[in-house]
Amino acid sequence: ELKVEQNPLFLSMQEGKNYTIYCNYSTTSDRLYWYRQDPGKSLESLFVLLSNGAVKQEGRLMASLDTKARLSTLHITAAVHDLSATYFCAVDKGGSEKLVFGKGTKLTVNP
Amino acid sequence: GAGVSQSPSNKVTEKGKDVELRCDPISGHTALYWYRQSLGQGLEFLIYFQGNSAPDKSGLPSDRFSAERTGGSVSTLTIQRTQQEDSAVYLCASSLLVGSVSYEQYFGPGTRLTVT
Repeated sequence: ELKVEQNPLFLSMQEGKNYTIYCNYSTTSDRLYWYRQDPGKSLESLFVLLSNGAVKQEGRLMASLDTKARLSTLHITAAVHDLSATYFCAVDKGGSEKLVFGKGTKLTVNP
Repeated sequence: GAGVSQSPSNKVTEKGKDVELRCDPISGHTALYWYRQSLGQGLEFLIYFQGNSAPDKSGLPSDRFSAERTGGSVSTLTIQRTQQEDSAVYLCASSLLVGSVSYEQYFGPGTRLTVT
């Protein structure tokens, strides 16, 4: 059974600081996704990582994937208040299968 | 273009009543997924449609839950004899399917169901 673990589950940080969210998964997977969710809103796709060593960056967020370690990281650089949200990683096994989600990391960036 | 839409956005129902939740996927997306998000359980998969057929129903929590999809487009999730533990946000997602491979899933705004 595919399991996904994120840590930390809660993260409070100051503006301007850097931090990393970790996502571990239990079995071989072909694809890893990062989503953002604002309170009361749906899931917004941030990154899709398809292969070992994949790195993607958008603004202050950078995601990477190590399939051998079954680990993805979401790095936040010089955080700003607008990044406050809950971030989910999710994994599927390719094909047309369901996504299995981590529990999410609630990020609060304090001014 | 239009994204995934869901209706209603909020639904309050009494315990024991039946409810229907609707999802309109992105035009051309042949894969459609239902998920449920609750405080205690996080985001859980319910059912997946490929066209009008459902090859994976493994996430439906009980036989009170059913879903159908018609015309390869709109899907309806039905919950019969609702219970308080059914209270959650029900999210629909769709994706492009090429051969047997689906691509990124796009999520709708969700239906918040409250069972009183």
